[in-house]
Amino acid sequence: SQQGEEDPQALSIQEGENATMNCSYKTSINNLQWYRQNSGRGLVHLILIRSNEREKHSGRLRVTLDTSKKSSSLLITASRAADTASYFCATEGTDSWGKLQFGAGTQVVVTP
Amino acid sequence: GAVVSQHPSRVICKSGTSVKIECRSLDFQATTMFWYRQFPKKSLMLMATSNEGSKATYEQGVEKDKFLINHASLTLSTLTVTSAHPEDSSFYICSASGSLAGANEQFFGPGTRLTVL
Repeated sequence: SQQGEEDPQALSIQEGENATMNCSYKTSINNLQWYRQNSGRGLVHLILIRSNEREKHSGRLRVTLDTSKKSSSLLITASRAADTASYFCATEGTDSWGKLQFGAGTQVVVTP
Repeated sequence: GAVVSQHPSRVICKSGTSVKIECRSLDFQATTMFWYRQFPKKSLMLMATSNEGSKATYEQGVEKDKFLINHASLTLSTLTVTSAHPEDSSFYICSASGSLAGANEQFFGPGTRLTVL
């Protein structure tokens, strides 16, 4: 079963706007990670946030984690057409070292 | 970041044949490799975890005799889809973690598109 569920499933925005997507999970985690996938390609690791962290930044990316609500959000600021991709959250459970459970993903389209 | 390659990137085969997919860590030693399967517009489903020199651990519902995994060296793992059928058509992605990776980080290969006719 999917550990992480994401919403929205799809997001269409214009360049310069911010994109926010959310991820919810069910079990206790060591960390939560966000990945990006261009169509038909492999995954690119974006950011990892540990269970004892609440917020993390990397360039135009901002990730939050609320372990009490078992949810995380990914914000992409000032989006660009090149940000068009699918974004997945993945959790590493406390009882499954190294294994990642992926969410369903959010398909983001950024139009110029 | 560390580089993981997969070969082939795309394969088309006839039903009943076996297909081998290679996953290589190019610049680090991968003590653990993971194999995932992804259907169109869907998420990645973990199939199995392989540690160098030991038998792979398969996730529930994954047939180990159907999907043979070998992790004979610290830089190479192979997935063999035996007696492939059209329902095995999918995008197969490997990932690796090991000596160069940060804690809990996996590096993903570019994927292999398998089409079984």
